[in-house]
Amino acid sequence: EDKVVQSPLSLVVHEGDTVTLNCSYEVTNFRSLLWYKQEKKAPTFLFMLTSSGIEKKSGRLSSILDKKELFSILNITATQTGDSAVYLCAVASVRGKLIFGQGTTLQVKP
Amino acid sequence: GAVVSQHPSWVICKSGTSVKIECRSLDFQATTMFWYRQFPKQSLMLMATSNEGSKATYEQGVEKDKFLINHASLTLSTLTVTSAHPEDSSFYICSARTSAQSYEQYFGPGTRLTVT
Repeated sequence: EDKVVQSPLSLVVHEGDTVTLNCSYEVTNFRSLLWYKQEKKAPTFLFMLTSSGIEKKSGRLSSILDKKELFSILNITATQTGDSAVYLCAVASVRGKLIFGQGTTLQVKP
Repeated sequence: GAVVSQHPSWVICKSGTSVKIECRSLDFQATTMFWYRQFPKQSLMLMATSNEGSKATYEQGVEKDKFLINHASLTLSTLTVTSAHPEDSSFYICSARTSAQSYEQYFGPGTRLTVT
């Protein structure tokens, strides 16, 4: 059975800290791995990773994929209270179907 | 960027009635749209894949006669919850794939359904 596992499930840090969120997967017919941020409503797209070892970066966020070890990490540097959210990792399989992990709830305290 | 809208954003209905939720891709054509359901503090659960001009593909355990999906155009998919019951109360979210060559999916803002 396909599965995506995220860790930790929740995390509390202070502003300015750096955090690393983990996502491991066992998915047949892997196509891509995607990261989303979910606040009160629907998820907003962060990154899509298809190739191993190539870092994607957007401001203070960055992510990388290791297709040999079947995992990805999402890094957030110099965290701000606005980074507080649930971060979802999903793997795209055949026909674009997304398999989601449980999510990591990040709380950034002032 | 790719924008997906949903309507309504929230709805309250009585048991036994039907509710229709619309999902639109505003600035791109989406040959494939997806419908998810999310319970509080849980992750998204895929209900069905909707392809323009063809029947939707439902995930195991999802009743296709209860959750009717229609993808009539390249920018619109609808989900109709028929004969709604309180246990159908949930957050329903659609997403759209930007192209057949990409696995990027963009999500609508979601619809909160409460069945009384």
